[in-house]
Amino acid sequence: DAGVIQSPRHEVTEMGQEVTLRCKPISGHDYLFWYRQTMMRGLELLIYFNNNVPIDDSGMPEDRFSAKMPNASFSTLKIQPSEPRDSAVYFCASSLTTTNEKLFFGSGTQLSVL
Amino acid sequence: GENVEQHPSTLSVQEGDSAVIKCTYSDSASNYFPWYKQELGKGPQLIIDIRSNVGEKKDQRIAVTLNKTAKHFSLHITETQPEDSAVYFCAASPGSSASKIIFGSGTRLSIRP
Repeated sequence: DAGVIQSPRHEVTEMGQEVTLRCKPISGHDYLFWYRQTMMRGLELLIYFNNNVPIDDSGMPEDRFSAKMPNASFSTLKIQPSEPRDSAVYFCASSLTTTNEKLFFGSGTQLSVL
Repeated sequence: GENVEQHPSTLSVQEGDSAVIKCTYSDSASNYFPWYKQELGKGPQLIIDIRSNVGEKKDQRIAVTLNKTAKHFSLHITETQPEDSAVYFCAASPGSSASKIIFGSGTRLSIRP
């Protein structure tokens, strides 16, 4: 398996622009997670899906952030409008089942908002 | 909720020596303790995990110990090699779902040649 695939690897945008991050989980994994990594706050869980359904979005920082999972093989995280403080590395991860806590991370998207 | 503290934040050891990273957790309900390794430009990768029904687990040069009474657990890397240089994260979870995992702040390990 190719693992969790994220795109783009790097994104540089200007404040106010819309940003869309993409993720393809490992085939057969029921859970998909979006994390944000910063020096100040470490790894933060933003939202997670089970069988394409959003279960907990309490980690989403503001209404400017939204996530979707239209099918089992694709998810997006959108920031609109983006702000400089959104600059971070965003990771997508997937896991197999309810009782399997092992997370498989993608390589991340380095987002810079100028 | 769970809080995981990790020390040290940076660690430099001579190649061939051992490295130890320590973590404490607050929630006595936590029973699953994974360790992730993050190399430069990559996502974290699970390297070893332990459940609360055992006190130690080994996998070649890495081992993890758990003291449930004291609520702390540690990662031990022996005979360190250059490829061990990375950021290591401990985590704790009450189990049942990966959504409950709380990560420590990370330790940047550097191996000196």
